[in-house]
Amino acid sequence: AQTVTQSQPEMSVQEAETVTLSCTYDTSESDYYLFWYKQPPSRQMILVIRQEAYKQQNATENRFSVNFQKAAKSFSLKISDSQLGDAAMYFCAYRSGGSVTEKLVFGKGTKLTVNP
Amino acid sequence: GAGVSQSPSNKVTEKGKDVELRCDPISGHTALYWYRQSLGQGLEFLIYFQGNSAPDKSGLPSDRFSAERTGGSVSTLTIQRTQQEDSAVYLCASSPPGGGFRTKETQYFGPGTRLLVL
Repeated sequence: AQTVTQSQPEMSVQEAETVTLSCTYDTSESDYYLFWYKQPPSRQMILVIRQEAYKQQNATENRFSVNFQKAAKSFSLKISDSQLGDAAMYFCAYRSGGSVTEKLVFGKGTKLTVNP
Repeated sequence: GAGVSQSPSNKVTEKGKDVELRCDPISGHTALYWYRQSLGQGLEFLIYFQGNSAPDKSGLPSDRFSAERTGGSVSTLTIQRTQQEDSAVYLCASSPPGGGFRTKETQYFGPGTRLLVL
């Protein structure tokens, strides 16, 4: 079974600075998708960014980018120019590309605090 | 358009009572998922519906849990004889129909129902 590990339970960053959240995963599959979701106190899970494993190019979405290292099974999220609204729980998630169910397997999450 | 909605937002119940949690997916989304988020276990997959196919119930923790999806749209998660360990946030997500081999469906989540069993 696939597992996702987020080794940083909590992180903090100064407003306007850059922070990197770590995620590693374990799988024997070659076809899969990786996601970062943000969960603010409102509980709504919001997709931040996604990466298809077959793509070598790292995904970017405005201030958010990933460092996808397939051989190392690493998928870190970099947030540039951090804003107060970025404060939230961040979850890394894995989805099999070949599974019928397409369920997400989540890490335990990293709580990000943004200091003014 | 409207996102995934869930009701109630919060539910407090007594141990042993049955509860029903409702999820309204985004219109046109064929796939629907239920997840449970608890302090001890993190986010866990519960059940998955896709169109008219038989649901994948592999994540349901016990036979006290069941779910149905009527008319391919609204879904209800039922927990019978609730226990204190059922206290958690129950999240629903939906995704649009995919196309081709490289499906790119993103799961869109609702705000969740926080269940507290006393």
